[in-house]
Amino acid sequence: DAGVIQSPRHEVTEMGQEVTLRCKPISGHDYLFWYRQTMMRGLELLIYFNNNVPIDDSGMPEDRFSAKMPNASFSTLKIQPSEPRDSAVYFCASSSRRGDPYNEQFFGPGTRLTVL
Amino acid sequence: DQQVKQNSPSLSVQEGRISILNCDYTNSMFDYFLWYKKYPAEGPTFLISISSIKDKNEDGRFTVFLNKSAKHLSLHIVPSQPGDSAVYFCAARRKTSYDKVIFGPGTSLSVIP
Repeated sequence: DAGVIQSPRHEVTEMGQEVTLRCKPISGHDYLFWYRQTMMRGLELLIYFNNNVPIDDSGMPEDRFSAKMPNASFSTLKIQPSEPRDSAVYFCASSSRRGDPYNEQFFGPGTRLTVL
Repeated sequence: DQQVKQNSPSLSVQEGRISILNCDYTNSMFDYFLWYKKYPAEGPTFLISISSIKDKNEDGRFTVFLNKSAKHLSLHIVPSQPGDSAVYFCAARRKTSYDKVIFGPGTSLSVIP
């Protein structure tokens, strides 16, 4: 399996622009997680889905952030409008409880977002 | 308010010596703990875990110790190797929300040859 795939790997944009980050989870996984990593706060969970349904979005910073999972093999995280403080590395992870009661998460390589 | 704390942002250790990475947590509902390792430009990868019913779990050169009364866990790497240089994240799960993982801020380990 190719693992979790994220695109783009790097994104540089100007303040006020819309940014869309994409994720393809591991085939067969029914959980998908979006995280943000910053120096100050470390790795924060933004939102997670189970069977394409959002379960917990309490980590989404504000209304400028939205996430969707239209099908089992694709998810997007959108920031509109973007601000410089959104600059961070955004990770997508997926997991499955089948055969793993501890639901180990597998991470993608991340998207480094820079908002100027 | 961070529920999982790693108070040392960085640590340097000589090759062959022991590396000890520490982690403290505040939520007594946590009952499963994990360590993830992250290399630059890659995502975190699972390293080792421990359930709250144990106080030690060992996997090769890596051992995790849990002290529930102190709400403290530590990761020991013996002997340390240059390839162990990475950021290590401590993480925890609650009994009532096993899918959700709370991560600490990470400790950057440098193993000096």
